[in-house]
Formats: sequence, structure tokens, C-alpha cells
Amino acid sequence: NAGVTQTPKFQVLKTGQSMTLQCAQDMNHNSMYWYRQDPGMGLRLIYYSASEGTTDKGEVPNGYNVSRLNKREFSLRLESAAPSQTSVYFCASNLDGATYEQYFGPGTRLTVT
Amino acid sequence: GQQVMQIPQYQHVQEGEDFTTYCNSSTTLSNIQWYKQRPGGHPVFLIQLVKSGEVKKQKRLTFQFGEAKKNSSLHITATQTTDVGTYFCAGPSNDYKLSFGAGTTVTVRA
Repeated sequence: NAGVTQTPKFQVLKTGQSMTLQCAQDMNHNSMYWYRQDPGMGLRLIYYSASEGTTDKGEVPNGYNVSRLNKREFSLRLESAAPSQTSVYFCASNLDGATYEQYFGPGTRLTVT
Repeated sequence: GQQVMQIPQYQHVQEGEDFTTYCNSSTTLSNIQWYKQRPGGHPVFLIQLVKSGEVKKQKRLTFQFGEAKKNSSLHITATQTTDVGTYFCAGPSNDYKLSFGAGTTVTVRA
């Protein structure tokens, strides 16, 4: 099992460009999450998908959109990148909600210039 | 909304010494989870505590959940270089969301 995979690992964008971060899990998990990690601020939830077909906002959703393509895949889109979106992005999944451990992907390091 | 606070933010430890990191919530938690992130890596689940006053051990790591279920601690004895990294606590803010603390970053002096 690969667990949670993310692509790309690194990305540099210019302000105003768009991109989609891809995430997939092979553990048959119902719930999936997107976080961003900035120095000294821990992990902040951007969006989550409790189950296939549903998505909800987290703490910091502005400037992002998500798609739960199917049970395995959950993508994060930046429509018009801004320097404030420079961060490390982690995708995570778990069986079904906050009482279960989360499994994290390796992360995407995004720089917006 | 529910917030989880962690202290200290940084912990510099001499190899062989003990240290403790603390986690406090503004609300009662149904459970608390602890994660470890090695430098350059991703968070990895360590443990979950559910019961009031619960204590769990993993080798040199001791995790405790407070009686009121609003605080938790991680105590590491005889710190080793393999303990380097950032330790996060996290508590549910709804049925699906976890609220993570800012983390305690541990460095070890050999």
C-alpha cells in the first residue's frame, strides 16, 4: 500500500498563476483533508471531505477550492496564486472523522513569487 | 471556536535529559491525538487518549490526558537524538475536524 500520495512534491508559481495539487489514498478511507503548514503556526485546515461527495470549509479556505473526485482522490486548486499562499501543503485521510488517526501524505512545498 | 494551545514552542534538551510538552484546550475534548513530525517530513500519528486521567506509555514516551479532558502532556525520558522533531497535539473541533496545536519543536544536544 502506498498510503497517501501527493503530487507534485515541489512547485514554484508566479503571482496570479493557477495550479491543482493532487492527493490520493489507497486505504479505503472515507474522510480526507487538506492542511497548510507555516512556521510557528502548526497545521491549519483548509478544506475537508467527510465522505465521497461532500466537502466543507476549514479554518483558512479563502483562495482555495477542492474537489472530491471519488473515494480515493481529493484535489486542491489555487485559482490565482498569491505570495501569502507560499507554504507546505499536506493531504491527510482517515477512516471516518475526528475519532480516528489521520494519515498524512509527504507534502507539497509551494513557493509563490 | 475550539482552540488547542501547546507550550513550549521550542525545547532544547541535553541528550539523556527528560522533558515535557503541554497541550491545553479551551473546551472539553472527546479525545486527544499526538503526532510527531521529523525535520523535512510529514506528521505521523503517535497515540490517541480517550478517557479522563488516561496514561499511556510508548517506550520512553508517556502521554497523559487530564481529569477534565481539557489538557494533555507528553513526557519523554532520557532524550535521544531520534526524538528530534516537532510534536503536535490535536483535538476534535467537530465530528470530522481536528484542531492542531502549534507544536513543540525539540532539538537535542549530544
